[in-house]
Amino acid sequence: SQQGEEDPQALSIQEGENATMNCSYKTSINNLQWYRQNSGRGLVHLILIRSNEREKHSGRLRVTLDTSKKSSSLLITASRAADTASYFCATASMDSNYQLIWGAGTKLIIKP
Amino acid sequence: KAGVTQTPRYLIKTRGQQVTLSCSPISGHRSVSWYQQTPGQGLQFLFEYFSETQRNKGNFPGRFSGRQFSNSRSEMNVSTLELGDSALYLCASSLLSPNEKLFFGSGTQLSVL
Repeated sequence: SQQGEEDPQALSIQEGENATMNCSYKTSINNLQWYRQNSGRGLVHLILIRSNEREKHSGRLRVTLDTSKKSSSLLITASRAADTASYFCATASMDSNYQLIWGAGTKLIIKP
Repeated sequence: KAGVTQTPRYLIKTRGQQVTLSCSPISGHRSVSWYQQTPGQGLQFLFEYFSETQRNKGNFPGRFSGRQFSNSRSEMNVSTLELGDSALYLCASSLLSPNEKLFFGSGTQLSVL
């Protein structure tokens, strides 16, 4: 079952703008991860944030985690055409071993 | 290091047939997870193997099965294929736990006619 819900489902912005995607989840977690998927391919891990962390950066990516609201956001700054992809959040629940719970994804389109 | 390798990349089968998909994890990774991805359903967890043992299984019928070999390579099998089994099947490996960073293969696109 899907725990994460991502918002928006789709996002279209101009190259150079910032893109923000949100993820909400339902249970207590050990960590939350973001992945990118280019059309029809495998997923690529972007960033992992643990439950005791509030913010994490990796290059143009910034992830925040608010465990009180059970939500996370992924910010991509200065977007590029190559950022066009689907972005998924996945949570490692404290109750669920050996399985990540996935959101339905946000489809991001960067217009040149 | 070579990445996660899935074979075949594309597969076309007819209803009622069976299919076997293969996954070779990154060298040294002992955990292998399988997912089914369809446009409407997102990623659905199938099962996870570690040291030849299935540690967790998703809510799929018994037609879906898997195994892991001593070299950590894994296979999944779908018997008596149905049209609804058409999907992208993804394999992911990790060092010890699938709750940490996953490395995905490119997937096998299965079409059932």
